Amino acid sequence: RKEVEQDPGPFNVPEGATVAFNCTYSNSASQSFFWYRQDCRKEPKLLMSVYSSGNEDGRFTAQLNRASQYISLLIRDSKLSDSATYLCVVNRGGYQKVTFGTGTKLQVIP
Amino acid sequence: EPEVTQTPSHQVTQMGQEVILRCVPISNHLYFYWYRQILGQKVEFLVSFYNNEISEKSEIFDDQFSVERPDGSNFTLKIRSTKLEDSAMYFCASQGPNEQFFGPGTRLTVL
Repeated sequence: RKEVEQDPGPFNVPEGATVAFNCTYSNSASQSFFWYRQDCRKEPKLLMSVYSSGNEDGRFTAQLNRASQYISLLIRDSKLSDSATYLCVVNRGGYQKVTFGTGTKLQVIP
Repeated sequence: EPEVTQTPSHQVTQMGQEVILRCVPISNHLYFYWYRQILGQKVEFLVSFYNNEISEKSEIFDDQFSVERPDGSNFTLKIRSTKLEDSAMYFCASQGPNEQFFGPGTRLTVL
């Protein structure tokens, strides 16, 4: 089983739609969880950290379910500028390496 | 806002040649990393570095690779004898209080 697993997509959605991405991780000892965004041929950039209590940042909501080892990202009212690859990233804790999923590609269509 | 910088942005080299990729991490960070991303594939961990020592490395990071912090600011990745399969985007990262910050990457093309 892959350490971090995501549906690669692509997800093609119209502007204004709500879209949800899921991610599962295999190491139950994982401590920190993130969603990064990667534009084509650019570096990953932090979108948001993910907490068990869930967290929201504007149109973006992230959830963590430790029991199911599952992370989600919800994007409401999609904009054209949201088109990118969304990377699920997991850390075993502290200053250890992070592990990336393959990413889910989102294309928002006018 | 402080950022991780990398040079060069693009490096083209012949197979068998040595390359050095350079990074300047965020100044008050202490943990540094190299990752690579082959075109169309996921970002993969290569090595982590703390206190002038490698703290963890992956199977990819074999004897052809080395890292160094030659002075107080630069963090370098050296590939001794490049192979075609080393062609990839190489990202440097440094660890903040919560997340890792990534540099813009060096695109390495081995011919």
